[in-house]
Formats: sequence, structure tokens, C-alpha cells
Amino acid sequence: QKEVEQDPGPLSVPEGAIVSLNCTYSNSAFQYFMWYRQYSRKGPELLMYTYSSGNKEDGRFTAQVDKSSKYISLFIRDSQPSDSATYLCAMNSGNTPLVFGKGTRLSVIA
Amino acid sequence: GAVVSQHPSWVICKSGTSVKIECRSLDFQATTMFWYRQFPKQSLMLMATSNEGSKATYEQGVEKDKFLINHASLTLSTLTVTSAHPEDSSFYICSARLTGQGGGNTIYFGEGSWLTVV
Repeated sequence: QKEVEQDPGPLSVPEGAIVSLNCTYSNSAFQYFMWYRQYSRKGPELLMYTYSSGNKEDGRFTAQVDKSSKYISLFIRDSQPSDSATYLCAMNSGNTPLVFGKGTRLSVIA
Repeated sequence: GAVVSQHPSWVICKSGTSVKIECRSLDFQATTMFWYRQFPKQSLMLMATSNEGSKATYEQGVEKDKFLINHASLTLSTLTVTSAHPEDSSFYICSARLTGQGGGNTIYFGEGSWLTVV
């Protein structure tokens, strides 16, 4: 079993839809959870950062962490064509390198 | 968010030559930086962890003599690809850790550097 599992997609939704992205993980030591957005041929951009379990909201984005289920989610409300990108979940236990999911390719169709 | 600058954005070099890529944290000090390699449509592959003032820690399978990493200051880490060959052509990305209060950490990425070896 890989440390972090993420459905690679591709995921295609109409503009305005609510997008749900998620990852599961196996290492119970993970405490820090991040979502990155990566446009083609660019470096990843940090979207959301969460410590331990709980929800965090920032504009149209909501991140959820359920440590009991080892499951994290990213919700995008009112999705826009500009949201089309690859979304990477990442996590670590502190002063360790991030462990990434494979990324989910999202296309928002106008 | 914090800014990590990477330079050059793209470089073409001849086979057998060496190429240096710089990674700078512009508005924070980073004791730890990371170097990744990414192939098309694949996730990031960690190459090494760079710690300021000490030797880098390389991941298994990464040749430390080929991919030289120097982290001489709290805001700069460099990756030198020595004796580059076409198979080294790839997208190289650095990241820097911003250590917050309470021991938290967020990691910011540079824009990446496209290396083409001809």
C-alpha cells in the first residue's frame, strides 16, 4: 500500500460545480496536510495548509482532515475554468519531506 | 504566501556540460530546502533534502556526485547537474520550508526549471 493514495482522474466538471478531491493515507504519524495546485509547466502553488484534524476554509476552497479515517478532502465551490489544473495532496509529520499523492487532473468546462 | 524564486526558468545545455539551478527564499529564511524532479504527467520525485550549513541528504537512487547540492546560506540552495546527459532532461523544482510558531511547517515551491540537454 502506498503511503498516500490519490485518484489521478482526470476529473471533468461544468463551470459552477462543486468539486471534491480527496486522498487517503496510511501513516498515522502525519500531522500536517497540504493541498497544492499545479498548472502545466509550473511549480506547485500552496492552496491550503491544515494541522491535525478539522476544517479550514479560504474563499471558495475548504480543506477537511479526518485523522481517524486517514482521509483528507479539498472542496472547490463555484468552480471556474481557471481552476483547471492538477491538484496534489501532500503531508508530513513535521521536519520530514512531504509525501505527495499522484495528483488529480481537474478540468472545469465553461 | 511566502515566495520562493528559482532561476533559470529554462535552460538548454550541451551533453557533457554542467548546469547550476538556484533556489532562493525571498522573504523568509529556510534552513531546509528540497529538490524535486518531475517527469510529464507524473508526481514530484524527491531527490534530496538540503540543510543549511551541512551536507544534503539524498534519496535512494539519486547520484550525489552527479547532482551536487549546496545550501550555503539561509536563503539560497543550488543544484548543479554535472556532466549532463539527455536523460537528465526534466523539470526540476525546489521548495523551502517556512517554520512557524509552535513547530508548524509550510512548504513553498519555486516555479521550476526546465532543463533540456542536447
